[in-house]
Amino acid sequence: DAKTTQPNSMESNEEEPVHLPCNHSTISGTDYIHWYRQLPSQGPEYVIHGLTSNVNNRMASLAIAEDRKSSTLILHRATLRDAAVYYCILRDTYSGAGSYQLTFGKGTKLSVIP
Amino acid sequence: DTAVSQTPKYLVTQMGNDKSIKCEQNLGHDTMYWYKQDSKKFLKIMFSYNNKELIINETVPNRFSPKSPDKAHLNLHINSLELGDSAVYFCASSQVQGARAEAFFGQGTRLTVV
Repeated sequence: DAKTTQPNSMESNEEEPVHLPCNHSTISGTDYIHWYRQLPSQGPEYVIHGLTSNVNNRMASLAIAEDRKSSTLILHRATLRDAAVYYCILRDTYSGAGSYQLTFGKGTKLSVIP
Repeated sequence: DTAVSQTPKYLVTQMGNDKSIKCEQNLGHDTMYWYKQDSKKFLKIMFSYNNKELIINETVPNRFSPKSPDKAHLNLHINSLELGDSAVYFCASSQVQGARAEAFFGQGTRLTVV
C-alpha cells in the first residue's frame, strides 16, 4: 500500500481554521485519499475522501494538490469536539487488497485550545 | 440505530480463557473487518470478510478465529488468551468498491487479560 506521512501533532485555537497536511508521494492513479478521525475512547470515524478534485462536506474540506502527492484536510472552525487523531489513508477501492482494508498510520493528534 | 455494534464493550478475563466478541452491522454492507489497537494506539487490520468469505488474514495467531454466520455478523473468538492480547478491538464494515467505500466502525471492545 502507498504510504502517507503526517505530522505527529498539531494545535489549534478554538473557532479558528485548521489545516492538517498529508504527504503521499507514491500515490497511484486509482488511490482515493481518505481521512478518518478517532475521538478519545471511540472508534475511527469517516471524515471525507477524494480522488483528484477538492471536496467539501458538512464536516470538512479536502484540498488535493494538482500532482496528488499531497493533500490537506481543512476544518473551517475548530471546536473542542474536533480534538482527535486524524488519519490520512490511501485506498485503492477498485482492485487488490486495498479494496478490503484501510491501512492506518500514526495520524496527527489535533489538540484544540479553548 | 447503531450502524456497527459490538458486544461486550469491556472484557476482563484471565490468561488461558477463551472468549468471544460479537459484531453486527445493519448497513447492508458486503465487507466486515476486525482491527486491533494496541497500547501505542496503532490500528492494525486483523481480518477482512467479504460476503462471508475470508479475504484478508494478517499475521494473527491462529488462536484468533473469526466467524461470519451471515453478511451482517462477524464474530471474533479468541482461544487461550495471553497477556499480549490486551488491546481494543474494533469491528468495521463497508462496501467493497466504489467511490463511496467509507468504513463504519464500532465503539470498540476493550479486552484486558490478567
